[in-house]
Amino acid sequence: QKEVEQDPGPLSVPEGAIVSLNCTYSNSAFQYFMWYRQYSRKGPELLMYTYSSGNKEDGRFTAQVDKSSKYISLFIRDSQPSDSATYLCAMSDSGGSNYKLTFGKGTLLTVNP
Amino acid sequence: DVKVTQSSRYLVKRTGEKVFLECVQDMDHENMFWYRQDPGLGLRLIYFSYDVKMKEKGDIPEGYSVSREKKERFSLILESASTNQTSMYLCASSTGVGTEAFFGQGTRLTVV
Repeated sequence: QKEVEQDPGPLSVPEGAIVSLNCTYSNSAFQYFMWYRQYSRKGPELLMYTYSSGNKEDGRFTAQVDKSSKYISLFIRDSQPSDSATYLCAMSDSGGSNYKLTFGKGTLLTVNP
Repeated sequence: DVKVTQSSRYLVKRTGEKVFLECVQDMDHENMFWYRQDPGLGLRLIYFSYDVKMKEKGDIPEGYSVSREKKERFSLILESASTNQTSMYLCASSTGVGTEAFFGQGTRLTVV
């Protein structure tokens, strides 16, 4: 089993839809959770950062972490064509000198006008 | 804002050439990373560095080396480029354990 599993999609939704993107993981030591957005031919940019369990909201975006289920989600409300991108989840633990992030493979989202 | 700058957006090199990819960050971050990104394979860590002159192998270090002589600069070296190293290369930096990484714009390398 891979450490982080993410459905690659592609996911296609109409403008205004609510989008749900998800990742599951196997390492119970993960404490820090991130979502990145990557437009075509660009580098990933940080969208959301959360520590441990709970919710975090930023405008139309909500990140949820359920550590008991080893499951994280990103919700996009009122999706826009400009949200069309690949979304990558990433996570790390806090042990020792572990500076590395473990990434999901990304979900390709298209929001149609 | 954190800025991570990669020296080239697009590169075309010949098989067997020695290739240097340069990355500079301006936020005094301790950690720097090199990834490659391929369709269906996601981001794969090649090397990372947590301090000047320190480096550690990532998941796919074969055929690559790195150099970090100054804190802000992290170079990836392809000793003898091969066609299977055609890829998108991404540099990132972060500070501390468990913190978010900031990425450069990527270098799309084609080896012919």
